[in-house]
Amino acid sequence: AQRVTQPEKLLSVFKGAPVELKCNYSYSGSPELFWYVQYSRQRLQLLLRHISRESIKGFTADLNKGETSFHLKKPFAQEEDSAMYYCALLGSSNTGKLIFGQGTTLQVKP
Amino acid sequence: KAGVTQTPRYLIKTRGQQVTLSCSPISGHRSVSWYQQTPGQGLQFLFEYFSETQRNKGNFPGRFSGRQFSNSRSEMNVSTLELGDSALYLCASSLVGRVSDTQYFGPGTRLTVL
Repeated sequence: AQRVTQPEKLLSVFKGAPVELKCNYSYSGSPELFWYVQYSRQRLQLLLRHISRESIKGFTADLNKGETSFHLKKPFAQEEDSAMYYCALLGSSNTGKLIFGQGTTLQVKP
Repeated sequence: KAGVTQTPRYLIKTRGQQVTLSCSPISGHRSVSWYQQTPGQGLQFLFEYFSETQRNKGNFPGRFSGRQFSNSRSEMNVSTLELGDSALYLCASSLVGRVSDTQYFGPGTRLTVL
């Protein structure tokens, strides 16, 4: 079964602390994984995708096929990073079907 | 360029009624996907349309249906509404739905079923 698990509903850190948002997946083929973010009163938007191997707003994510994980990391959290973060898996190649995790609320305290 | 637009933004219906939601994708985008977002179930995939054809379908009952027009605009319909259908319905568009295509989300339609 195709599934994405984000074990933490809420992650609260202080400004300047490292952040790691956990994501585990279940997928039989070669997974295509994404992180989406939703800031307060804004639309859901793509943060990064694993095929691009990019760093956006200081966030990175590495695909670990052995552990079936795609954790999102940032070395120093900023208050503006406070948002809801969703890990997502592309359900089928070359289609627009995304399977989302339940989401993690990141709260960065001053 | 204009983003994904959804109309209406808010809807209140009663049980047993039916509802139609509309999604206008970004110009040039041909893939439109629909998602249901609820506090309990999170974001769940409903279906995807590409070139007026349903390409993927999620695990929702047949009361949920959709279609896509030649200009890529899409509608979804829910018949015989139930209380549990109360949710935020999001649509997302992308060029053709490839892995490398970014999905852009609309603001959503908030449906309340009384």
